[in-house]
Amino acid sequence: AAGVIQSPRHLIKEKRETATLKCYPIPRHDTVYWYQQGPGQDPQFLISFYEKMQSDKGSIPDRFSAQQFSDYHSELNMSSLELGDSALYFCASSGERDAGSYEQYFGPGTRLTVT
Amino acid sequence: AQKITQTQPGMFVQEKEAVTLDCTYDTSDPSYGLFWYKQPSSGEMIFLIYQGSYDQQNATEGRYSLNFQKARKSANLVISASQLGDSAMYFCAMRGGFTGSARQLTFGSGTQLTVLP
Repeated sequence: AAGVIQSPRHLIKEKRETATLKCYPIPRHDTVYWYQQGPGQDPQFLISFYEKMQSDKGSIPDRFSAQQFSDYHSELNMSSLELGDSALYFCASSGERDAGSYEQYFGPGTRLTVT
Repeated sequence: AQKITQTQPGMFVQEKEAVTLDCTYDTSDPSYGLFWYKQPSSGEMIFLIYQGSYDQQNATEGRYSLNFQKARKSANLVISASQLGDSAMYFCAMRGGFTGSARQLTFGSGTQLTVLP
């Protein structure tokens, strides 16, 4: 079965640089979520999109922005990177339209290292 | 606001034995969902099991079962017949409601399970 695809899997950037993370949800899933997991931490919700519209916002810094495109893939743009942005970034998708399909399926994550 | 509490930072279990990972939650939503995820050292987040707040029966998925006690606000994960490959971090998570802005997951701090040969 198709899973959530994230690219790149690993990314190394320097402070003050920008980064773009991509997420391709499971086909026919209409909701995408972004989570950030710092070292030794639990995942923290950043932002979500439902049918290409932003549906909720969590603890996402103003330096970050995200969008969902017409093909439902999503991109997380991160600017002025700081050392503290080093983390594992997960994208998850769910099929809100499917009755009872409330599970969120996570991608493999993008490991961002800021040096 | 929702809160998930996992009080066991680490657990050890002998191979082939059963183990229970604790999870308690707090929410004011009348309708919510509870999830368990497994995160191996490789980092991916693997969905294990889901329990809806109105489900009458406890959820089961293979060797995983969720001991849901609504009055106690607990949703413990039971893994039967532990295998070495079960060694991983386990997260309990909650989703409050099913519409609007309550869709995102709130995670507990996790329990690191080690299965001993």
